[in-house]
Amino acid sequence: AQSVAQPEDQVNVAEGNPLTVKCTYSVSGNPYLFWYVQYPNRGLQFLLKYITGDNLVKGSYGFEAEFNKSQTSFHLKKPSALVSDSALYFCAVRGTGRRALTFGSGTRLQVQP
Amino acid sequence: GAVVSQHPSWVICKSGTSVKIECRSLDFQATTMFWYRQFPKQSLMLMATSNEGSKATYEQGVEKDKFLINHASLTLSTLTVTSAHPEDSSFYICSAPDRIMNTEAFFGQGTRLTVV
Repeated sequence: AQSVAQPEDQVNVAEGNPLTVKCTYSVSGNPYLFWYVQYPNRGLQFLLKYITGDNLVKGSYGFEAEFNKSQTSFHLKKPSALVSDSALYFCAVRGTGRRALTFGSGTRLQVQP
Repeated sequence: GAVVSQHPSWVICKSGTSVKIECRSLDFQATTMFWYRQFPKQSLMLMATSNEGSKATYEQGVEKDKFLINHASLTLSTLTVTSAHPEDSSFYICSAPDRIMNTEAFFGQGTRLTVV
């Protein structure tokens, strides 16, 4: 079975400061890892994905994530947070043989002006 | 990027009635679509996998007679909540995987269902 853990329900950061949203995963075989962002009453917007290759993945809106196989982590990062980054962030994983994504519980990011 | 359109974006219905939610892939063909349910402040839970031309595959604990899924064409999947009750009130989201790379998933805008 595949699973995703997002240990923080909420992350608070001041505008202009770097942010990190944590994610660890468990999956059989090589993982496909994703980050999505959700604004209130909206669907999910794709931010970035790791399939293979470089461990540091760059995505939309200045976000990036680092794949760490030994720690089974895929933390989302951004060097300088914006107030408009405030939203709900989901980490997701897909393993070999299963096409549907398994999502983490979500982390609410609050960026204060 | 690929676009998945979901309709309606919100619906209010009376208990006992049925509600149909549509999910369309606008610029690509989707032989598979996924239906998720999201409760307030919770994550997305996979309900079922919709397969074009065959029966849907339901996750454990999901009532197939209550949540009817039809995947009539390569661009349309529908979820019908039959005999809706207040506890069915939720946010329903569909998604379709990237058929070529089979990696990414494209999500609809979601449907907020409120049963009164």
